Amino acid sequence: AQSVSQHNHHVILSEAASLELGCNYSYGGTVNLFWYVQYPGQHLQLLLKYFSGDPLVKGIKGFEAEFIKSKFSFNLRKPSVQWSDTAEYFCAVTDSWGKFQFGAGTQVVVTP
Amino acid sequence: DTGVSQNPRHKITKRGQNVTFRCDPISEHNRLYWYRQTLGQGPEFLTYFQNEAQLEKSRLLSDRFSAERPKGSFSTLEIQRTEQGDSAMYLCASSSQGGNEQFFGPGTRLTVL
Repeated sequence: AQSVSQHNHHVILSEAASLELGCNYSYGGTVNLFWYVQYPGQHLQLLLKYFSGDPLVKGIKGFEAEFIKSKFSFNLRKPSVQWSDTAEYFCAVTDSWGKFQFGAGTQVVVTP
Repeated sequence: DTGVSQNPRHKITKRGQNVTFRCDPISEHNRLYWYRQTLGQGPEFLTYFQNEAQLEKSRLLSDRFSAERPKGSFSTLEIQRTEQGDSAMYLCASSSQGGNEQFFGPGTRLTVL
């Protein structure tokens, strides 16, 4: 069975700091990887996705993620966060059937 | 707005009552998914449809839960004899095919008193 582990449940950082959120998954086959974000009061939105090819993928709002197959990881990064990045971030894995397995989420708070 | 819509957005009910939620996916999407999200957790898969066919149901979906997608368009999720443990956000998502990005609706927040 698939599983997704997000390393941090809560992260607090100041504006302009760098952000890295860890995500590890457990699955034996080929997977597609996603990061979703949920801003306060809004629904889940896609930040970025990895299907194949270049393991470094760039998403919206300056986010990027790196797929490291040997480590079963798909960590999310942003070099310089803004107050508007305050949100909950979810890593997700799916196979070709499309059933998503989400991590528990990381609540990120960016202070001015 | 051509995104995924869900109704109602909030539902408060008494224990033992039945509730039904509706999801309208993006029109050209043939896959529709239901998830449940509780506080501090990521969404948990409940069931999904390809067109009108229900292809998989999670163990989380007890006999009190039933989902339909009769014409391959909108879907309903019914919970019979609700329990307090059913209180959660119920999310619907749709995609064009398996493995692709899923587009999520705003969810229906259920509170069982």
